[in-house]
Amino acid sequence: GAVVSQHPSRVICKSGTSVKIECRSLDFQATTMFWYRQFPKQSLMLMATSNEGSKATYEQGVEKDKFLINHASLTLSTLTVTSAHPEDSSFYICSARDADRENEQFFGPGTRLTVL
Amino acid sequence: EDQVTQSPEALRLQEGESSSLNCSYTVSGLRGLFWYRQDPGKGPEFLFTLYSAGEEKEKERLKATLTKKESFLHITAPKPEDSATYLCAVSGGATNKLIFGTGTLLAVQP
Repeated sequence: GAVVSQHPSRVICKSGTSVKIECRSLDFQATTMFWYRQFPKQSLMLMATSNEGSKATYEQGVEKDKFLINHASLTLSTLTVTSAHPEDSSFYICSARDADRENEQFFGPGTRLTVL
Repeated sequence: EDQVTQSPEALRLQEGESSSLNCSYTVSGLRGLFWYRQDPGKGPEFLFTLYSAGEEKEKERLKATLTKKESFLHITAPKPEDSATYLCAVSGGATNKLIFGTGTLLAVQP
């Protein structure tokens, strides 16, 4: 149990385009999902917290107009990187909190974004 | 300020050589301390949750312990497949967000 998927696993795009990443909880309902960013050899940095049916809460320094988050259902959250630039290239990882296991987060496999 | 510090940054062991990884933390109102394993290019894989001082959990060659200030991840007779980055995180306070340490990169040589 507690499986989280992400799609795509890898994406390469041109500068100026937008990229959408999906995060799904496959076998549980996630009232809260989280989006992280990880640079090489560094730990995970929380970008935003997403609650189903409400607006996401962004961490300080994260541009909400650049990183659009939608959490339309209890099993799906999406992150859209708008007008991507090379500095947005990173490893993006989502996690989901099981409503029945309030304190535990389960992570997706990550999405490697490369902006040319 | 809530903070998590992991040591060592990197650890190289011979197969069968037991050791421990450390996670020191400061958090207001600890809700949980979490250990994850992360392989290169993958998302973190959940290992353990510890909630209160004195608690211990085991899974195969791994054993996690918790005190009021730190947690240890003990690895007994490690195998090469245990090579990975081990991440420690805590959640607490009003936000209940995870705060991660920078991880320990473990390499187990055959």
